[in-house]
This record gives sequence, structure tokens and C-alpha cells, in this order.
Amino acid sequence: SQQGEEDPQALSIQEGENATMNCSYKTSINNLQWYRQNSGRGLVHLILIRSNEREKHSGRLRVTLDTSKKSSSLLITASRAADTASYFCATAVNTNAGKSTFGDGTTLTVKP
Amino acid sequence: GAGVSQTPSNKVTEKGKYVELRCDPISGHTALYWYRQSLGQGPEFLIYFQGTGAADDSGLPNDRFFAVRPEGSVSTLKIQRTERGDSAVYLCASSLHGGARNEQFFGPGTRLTVL
Repeated sequence: SQQGEEDPQALSIQEGENATMNCSYKTSINNLQWYRQNSGRGLVHLILIRSNEREKHSGRLRVTLDTSKKSSSLLITASRAADTASYFCATAVNTNAGKSTFGDGTTLTVKP
Repeated sequence: GAGVSQTPSNKVTEKGKYVELRCDPISGHTALYWYRQSLGQGPEFLIYFQGTGAADDSGLPNDRFFAVRPEGSVSTLKIQRTERGDSAVYLCASSLHGGARNEQFFGPGTRLTVL
């Protein structure tokens, strides 16, 4: 079974609005990463947040991590049609392991 | 420089056949990962190489699946006696160093269809 679960499964918004996606996981983690995947393409790494961090920013992206609730959120501000994609969270349990466990993703549609 | 490349981009085979999927990582990346992604799901970890050795093969579903990376660069995922349930997109990723803190760069994937 997948470690991470994204919520909602699908999200549709208008261009310019903010989009928030959530990820919950089951076991303690070393870090959590968010990826984007455009239809029919490979994954693109967006941001990594470590277990001792609570918030991280990158451009229009803001990621939070609450280890007590075992959850993370990805906020995309001022969304654009080009942000339309599937977004996945991936967790890593320990530093030395290469294995990342992905959730099933949130499909975001941004309408122009 | 070039990103991670995977060949073929599409592979159609018949049940019971043997297939090989190739991954060319980014030059100089020591770590290489294979994932499998079914429609509507996230990638599922298969195996992780650090250099030439498989550091973690816990995701390989059964002994029909095998992967090699003989010179620490190109990797081949081999599937014997393919089954319809093996149909998926097989993704390869590489990172400069191994370990969970390192960003993984993904290839476009090989779409495998087993008829």
C-alpha cells in the first residue's frame, strides 16, 4: 500500500486562484518531496522538505509539514493554466535509503 | 546536458515473452532508481542502485523481474515471462548521490503493454 495519500484526488480552479493539495502519510519520515507530472511525461521535482522543517517556499509554491499530524500541504498561488498537471507527494523513511514512496496524486486543472 | 533517457518509449509484447527496458541516467549520477506507474496511480518503487550494486531491491514484485547496472551507468530492467498485469509505465530516475535527500531526476518512461 502507498505511504502517502493525496487529497483531493482532483481539483479544478480558475486561473489566478490558489490551489491547495494535501498529503497524509503513515510512518515517521526523514523528508517529504512534491513532484509534478504532466500528462504522458516523467515527474519533475518541485520541492523537498525535511522532517525538522515546517515550511518551505519556492517561487509560487509553499509547502508545509506537520509531523505530529503526519501531513503536508502544497499551495500554488496565483495559478496558471500551465500548472495543470498531477501532483504527487513522496516520502523517504531514512537518509540512506534511495526508496521514495509515492501517493496516488492530485490531478489539478486550471481553467484559463 | 541531457536528462535521463529511456528506451524504448513504447513496448508492446505478448504474454509470456521476455522484455528489456533501458535507462541512461544523467552523466555522473551515481544513484539510479526504477519505478513502475499504473494508470491513475503514483509511481511504485522497484529497485535502487548505488553504483553497480543494487542497494535496495525490495520493490521487485517477484523473481520474474531483474535489473542490472554493470558499469554503474546504464541500467537494464529485465522482465521474464511477462504477464498482462505487468502493463504499466516503467520510470527510471537518477540522482547525483544516493540517499533520500538527493533530488531524483526522472526520465519520460517506457510504456509497456502486455497483450
